[in-house]
Amino acid sequence: SQQGEEDPQALSIQEGENATMNCSYKTSINNLQWYRQNSGRGLVHLILIRSNEREKHSGRLRVTLDTSKKSSSLLITASRAADTASYFCATDNQGGKLIFGQGTELSVKP
Amino acid sequence: NAGVTQTPKFRVLKTGQSMTLLCAQDMNHEYMYWYRQDPGMGLRLIHYSVGEGTTAKGEVPDGYNVSRLKKQNFLLGLESAAPSQTSVYFCASSYNRGSLAEQYFGPGTRLTVT
Repeated sequence: SQQGEEDPQALSIQEGENATMNCSYKTSINNLQWYRQNSGRGLVHLILIRSNEREKHSGRLRVTLDTSKKSSSLLITASRAADTASYFCATDNQGGKLIFGQGTELSVKP
Repeated sequence: NAGVTQTPKFRVLKTGQSMTLLCAQDMNHEYMYWYRQDPGMGLRLIHYSVGEGTTAKGEVPDGYNVSRLKKQNFLLGLESAAPSQTSVYFCASSYNRGSLAEQYFGPGTRLTVT
């Protein structure tokens, strides 16, 4: 069963614009992770945010977590064509395993 | 370090044939995972291992078997392939259980069953 659901499913922006992707989940979590997948490649870990954290930054990435709304957002600032990829959120279930959402497909046009 | 490697990269099977996918990691990770990725479905966990000699079922284990005889290797077997097993298979590893640590993914194996 899917725990996290990303929104939107697809996003197309121009280079230099900001991209925001959202993730909603159903049950309480310990942590939430974001991953990127370039076409035809494996997933790459971007950031992990713990349930007691509200915001985390890594370079041009900013992740927020609102446990009361069971949601998280990933913001990519000043996007580049190289940011074109699918982005997945992953939440842990009670067994400690990650459950991945269906992903947001981001297209950044030069 | 090579990280996580998978062999083969591509494979075409006929219904009923068997095959083994090999995953290897050189990061001395305890935890290893096999996922399948289908369009619109995200990644679904097939089987996982929390250490050498141990395996456990994930979300979609039917039709698959696994073995972890060596810490660095995690094998995924299909005994009698079915068209429903056409998918991209990813192996991953982590130093701690899934919710506490990032997972490192291999490049994937694209399997087609005709």
